[in-house]
Amino acid sequence: AQSVSQHNHHVILSEAASLELGCNYSYGGTVNLFWYVQYPGQHLQLLLKYFSGDPLVKGIKGFEAEFIKSKFSFNLRKPSVQWSDTAEYFCAVPDTGRRALTFGSGTRLQVQP
Amino acid sequence: AAGVIQSPRHLIKEKRETATLKCYPIPRHDTVYWYQQGPGQDPQFLISFYEKMQSDKGSIPDRFSAQQFSDYHSELNMSSLELGDSALYFCASSGQANTEAFFGQGTRLTVV
Repeated sequence: AQSVSQHNHHVILSEAASLELGCNYSYGGTVNLFWYVQYPGQHLQLLLKYFSGDPLVKGIKGFEAEFIKSKFSFNLRKPSVQWSDTAEYFCAVPDTGRRALTFGSGTRLQVQP
Repeated sequence: AAGVIQSPRHLIKEKRETATLKCYPIPRHDTVYWYQQGPGQDPQFLISFYEKMQSDKGSIPDRFSAQQFSDYHSELNMSSLELGDSALYFCASSGQANTEAFFGQGTRLTVV
């Protein structure tokens, strides 16, 4: 089964600081990759996705992520965070051999004004 | 655009009671997923359906069952509820395997 690791569990930043959240996955074959965001008390929303092509993908709200196949990584970045980015961020990949998404443990981002 | 609809949004049940959660996927999506998210936890996959047939099972207790109906809506049935079943239950749908899943608002189940 696929596994996803998010090493940053809780990140606290000041507004305008740059953000990078790590995500590593285990499967070495063709893989689709996703970042979801969950604002407090809300459902999961797709931030961005990678299927193929340019390894640098841009999502909503100024977020981007880079797929590095050799490192099995798909890190999420934003040059300048805002207070409204305070949320939990989940990296996800489709499971191997079954219809399911496997989520990382999530990173709680707290942006201080 | 239509999204995934879940009902009810909130549900309070007593221990040993039963609960039924409903999910209406995005039209023309062929796959429905159910996830359970405990407080401060990541979503845990419970079960999925493809074209109204059960596709895969995750960490779904035997006390839970689910089905997808001819109109593609799905229901998660939970019996003999326990305090530990208190969680957010999300339904999601996708148009093709391994593509992005769109999540509903979730049902917050509280077992007292």
